[in-house]
Amino acid sequence: DTAVSQTPKYLVTQMGNDKSIKCEQNLGHDTMYWYKQDSKKFLKIMFSYNNKELIINETVPNRFSPKSPDKAHLNLHINSLELGDSAVYFCASSQDPAWQYFGPGTRLTVT
Amino acid sequence: GEDVEQSLFLSVREGDSSVINCTYTDSSSTYLYWYKQEPGAGLQLLTYIFSNMDMKQDQRLTVLLNKKDKHLSLRIADTQTGDSAIYFCAEILTGRRALTFGSGTRLQVQP
Repeated sequence: DTAVSQTPKYLVTQMGNDKSIKCEQNLGHDTMYWYKQDSKKFLKIMFSYNNKELIINETVPNRFSPKSPDKAHLNLHINSLELGDSAVYFCASSQDPAWQYFGPGTRLTVT
Repeated sequence: GEDVEQSLFLSVREGDSSVINCTYTDSSSTYLYWYKQEPGAGLQLLTYIFSNMDMKQDQRLTVLLNKKDKHLSLRIADTQTGDSAIYFCAEILTGRRALTFGSGTRLQVQP
């Protein structure tokens, strides 16, 4: 069974559209994260939820809104997509922040 | 990754040793990690070291930590073509719940 899964794996969309990326973990972890890897491969934390509560919210445009319907799911909704949003988005989960399990990534391409 | 720096590229011949270096600025790191990312793939945790250790060996991998100089290195013995990937160092700071990644070092192994 996949521990941390993301859908879709690839997403190609046009500027101005609204899209969502989903993440699910079956590890029973309390904390989930979204990281962004840009075209230069820089990886940075965007958001983190602990038991459905937002605990990390880095400097990210308001167009990005995470939603956690339950502690096993953390979705990322992006409004009015821009070219600069093209990146690979990684979801992760942990029980202890020192040990994070990463999903396979979602490659978002905005045209 | 402005708090964690790595050189961008390293090229070695198959069978040689590779040494990938990383410097960090915050001395409150609790754990430091090395992740591997193969082309188009997700993040694989290779190894880690606790901040009160100087060295850790795991099969072909040796991690050295110099706390005084805030320098972390990963040595891969007998480098193989399958080791070609991007290697990220990362840290987690005391009281912080997200990983801070370096910029990644692209290792190219030539046959």
